[in-house]
Amino acid sequence: EAGVVQSPRYKIIEKKQPVAFWCNPISGHNTLYWYLQNLGQGPELLIRYENEEAVDDSQLPKDRFSAERLKGVDSTLKIQPAELGDSAVYLCASSLRLGEAETQYFGPGTRLLVL
Amino acid sequence: GEDVEQSLFLSVREGDSSVINCTYTDSSSTYLYWYKQEPGAGLQLLTYIFSNMDMKQDQRLTVLLNKKDKHLSLRIADTQTGDSAIYFCAETPDQGGKLIFGQGTELSVKP
Repeated sequence: EAGVVQSPRYKIIEKKQPVAFWCNPISGHNTLYWYLQNLGQGPELLIRYENEEAVDDSQLPKDRFSAERLKGVDSTLKIQPAELGDSAVYLCASSLRLGEAETQYFGPGTRLLVL
Repeated sequence: GEDVEQSLFLSVREGDSSVINCTYTDSSSTYLYWYKQEPGAGLQLLTYIFSNMDMKQDQRLTVLLNKKDKHLSLRIADTQTGDSAIYFCAETPDQGGKLIFGQGTELSVKP
């Protein structure tokens, strides 16, 4: 079974440019998450989707970040315009409920460097 | 508020046991998790424990939970060089699945 797929794996852009990240979750997982991981830190949630609906976007900086999951499967996270401080790893995860535990499976991440 | 704390580094010799500690603040967390992250990779789920349990064992991994002190630990028996990675504990403070992660403990295993 394929895991969570993310692309690109690496991206280098100049500040003020736009950038987009793509995620395809594990088949059958209806919950999808985008996390931001700064260097030396644990991941922090940006947005959570249940099917097509964004049910928690309280930590998403909406002035420059946007996300969509139009058909309830794959998702795109966009930054426009990018700032130097956006350099980080962007992780996508999808979840499966095992009994009562909601187990999240992570993709390899997209490493963004803003120059 | 929600906060998870871990020590940053741990160094052990191959074959020894490793114990990685974590403290959390939200007593309503239902599940607590341990994830492993190797360089350049995403997070791999190692194990999780339900909050009404004290201990869970899974092969070389033993999780201990002290709910009164809000302290979680992960013990790795017979640590191998392949166990070198960053280990994150995480809590779920609500039923919505949001994970709150610690800053990670870097485990270094010396031959």
